[in-house]
Amino acid sequence: AQTVTQSQPEMSVQEAETVTLSCTYDTSESNYYLFWYKQPPSRQMILVIRQEAYKQQNATENRFSVNFQKAAKSFSLKISDSQLGDTAMYFCAFMTHNYGQNFVFGPGTRLSVLP
Amino acid sequence: DAGITQSPRHKVTETGTPVTLRCHQTENHRYMYWYRQDPGHGLRLIHYSYGVKDTDKGEVSDGYSVSRSKTEDFLLTLESATSSQTSVYFCAISGEGVSYNEQFFGPGTRLTVL
Repeated sequence: AQTVTQSQPEMSVQEAETVTLSCTYDTSESNYYLFWYKQPPSRQMILVIRQEAYKQQNATENRFSVNFQKAAKSFSLKISDSQLGDTAMYFCAFMTHNYGQNFVFGPGTRLSVLP
Repeated sequence: DAGITQSPRHKVTETGTPVTLRCHQTENHRYMYWYRQDPGHGLRLIHYSYGVKDTDKGEVSDGYSVSRSKTEDFLLTLESATSSQTSVYFCAISGEGVSYNEQFFGPGTRLTVL
């Protein structure tokens, strides 16, 4: 079975600084997708960034980038120039080409951006 | 934003009563999911559907049933609600083609079982 671990339940960062959220996963699959979702206080789940396992290049979306280490089964999220609106829960998620049970979420990291 | 609505958005009920939550999509996506979110657990899959009348169990399916009679609607039923089912419930959808490897989420339903 696939598992996703986020070892940092809570983190904080000063506005305009950079923060990295950690995620590790366990799987025997070779082809899969990894995601970071953001959940602000509004409770809406918002996709931040996505990485295909077969791509060696790390995904980037504006101020958000990932460090994908396939051999180490690690998928960290870096947020640059942190903004107050980045305050949220962040969930790492894993998915294979099978549906349903194979979309697995980590327990989340609560990020607070401080003014 | 993907067209996903959930109803009701909030519900308070008593132990032992039946409860049905509704998820409605306007995207014509094939796959629909029900998750529950609890502190320290992230989102856990309850049931999912891969087509009309085609459903399967997820990680935490005990005490829940689902039905999908139309592409756009996916119902989650708690036959006899218990306090352990107090949670926030999310519906999600995913399609085929370009968007098949991403899930889009509804706004969530907060359910309290007293």
